[in-house]
Amino acid sequence: DQQVKQNSPSLSVQEGRISILNCDYTNSMFDYFLWYKKYPAEGPTFLISISSIKDKNEDGRFTVFLNKSAKHLSLHIVPSQPGDSAVYFCAARGYTGNQFYFGTGTSLTVIP
Amino acid sequence: DGGITQSPKYLFRKEGQNVTLSCEQNLNHDAMYWYRQDPGQGLRLIYYSQIVNDFQKGDIAEGYSVSREKKESFPLTVTSAQKNPTAFYLCASNNRAPTEAFFGQGTRLTVV
Repeated sequence: DQQVKQNSPSLSVQEGRISILNCDYTNSMFDYFLWYKKYPAEGPTFLISISSIKDKNEDGRFTVFLNKSAKHLSLHIVPSQPGDSAVYFCAARGYTGNQFYFGTGTSLTVIP
Repeated sequence: DGGITQSPKYLFRKEGQNVTLSCEQNLNHDAMYWYRQDPGQGLRLIYYSQIVNDFQKGDIAEGYSVSREKKESFPLTVTSAQKNPTAFYLCASNNRAPTEAFFGQGTRLTVV
């Protein structure tokens, strides 16, 4: 059973506009959430994270929002750049363990 | 340079043969993980280890085995019992505190 879901397999955005990637989770015991960026045939690279005690975290062009009541998080990229084109995975970590649960990924294409 | 090294990058195996994928980290991380990625799917956890000489099964451990004899090494053996071994395999590590996991560059295993 998929505990972390990314319901949009793909997203296309014009350069300079905002990209919004969404992620839903089912387990209320998750306490730490992350976004990773991945290029084909490479390992994911860490982008940004957020603890469950916060509702927003910013790092440059990237902002992650967490809505615990809705069990929903989103990644905003502003402004989007062609180099942002990649697959983005959201992940969640359980409170009692050290496992990371990953979504199925959203392929972002930023059109120049 | 600290990081995680997976080798080889590409691996071909004949059906019925066991094969071992290497993962080494010099980040002094306690925890290490093996994930598998298939097209259109997220990262699925095979095994993880939080400390030397200890490891736990993930969601798809059948047909795989691991060892953790040294802190820096976590090799994965894909046995002949694994029904569909062709996939992209990713190794990761982190410390047990809630921090991001760092990934290697992956090994593409193809069964021929």
